[in-house]
Amino acid sequence: AQSVTQLDSQVPVFEEAPVELRCNYSSSVSVYLFWYVQYPNQGLQLLLKYLSGSTLVKGINGFEAEFNKSQTSFHLRKPSVHISDTAEYFCAVSERGGSEKLVFGKGTKLTVNP
Amino acid sequence: DSGVTQTPKHLITATGQRVTLRCSPRSGDLSVYWYQQSLDQGLQFLIQYYNGEERAKGNILERFSAQQFPDLHSELNLSSLELGDSALYFCASSPGARVAGELFFGEGSRLTVL
Repeated sequence: AQSVTQLDSQVPVFEEAPVELRCNYSSSVSVYLFWYVQYPNQGLQLLLKYLSGSTLVKGINGFEAEFNKSQTSFHLRKPSVHISDTAEYFCAVSERGGSEKLVFGKGTKLTVNP
Repeated sequence: DSGVTQTPKHLITATGQRVTLRCSPRSGDLSVYWYQQSLDQGLQFLIQYYNGEERAKGNILERFSAQQFPDLHSELNLSSLELGDSALYFCASSPGARVAGELFFGEGSRLTVL
């Protein structure tokens, strides 16, 4: 069965600084990978996804992530964060051709300070 | 607005009681997913329905059950409630049966068991 580890539960950064949120996954088969964002008191919203092709994936709000198969990682990056990026970020994995479960990591709380 | 509607938004009840959470998927989406979000367990996949049929099952307790009706709305029934069932319950929908696409999440139903 697949699993996801988000290495940092909280990441505080200053506005306009770069940020990287780390995600590692485990699966015995090929996977689809996702990053979702949850703003306070809201549901989850898709930031970006990797299905196949280029390992560098660009998403909404200036975020991007790179799929690294050898490292089984899918880290999320943004070169310059804004106060409005303060939210919880979830990495998720689904096995290709397998069960339909989308398994989420425990989340990383990103706090952007002025 | 994701287009997924969940009711009620908040629910307070006592141990041993039974509650029903309702979800209306986005127009045209055939799949409905239920997730439980708690501080200690994170986001846990409970169950998926596709066009009225159960498609995938996750960590759903035997005290919990769900169904999807012909009009595609879904209900999650939680019975013999325990304190530990207090959580945020999310419904998500997608057009097809497979998770390779995007899931659209509702804003959740917050259940408090006293």
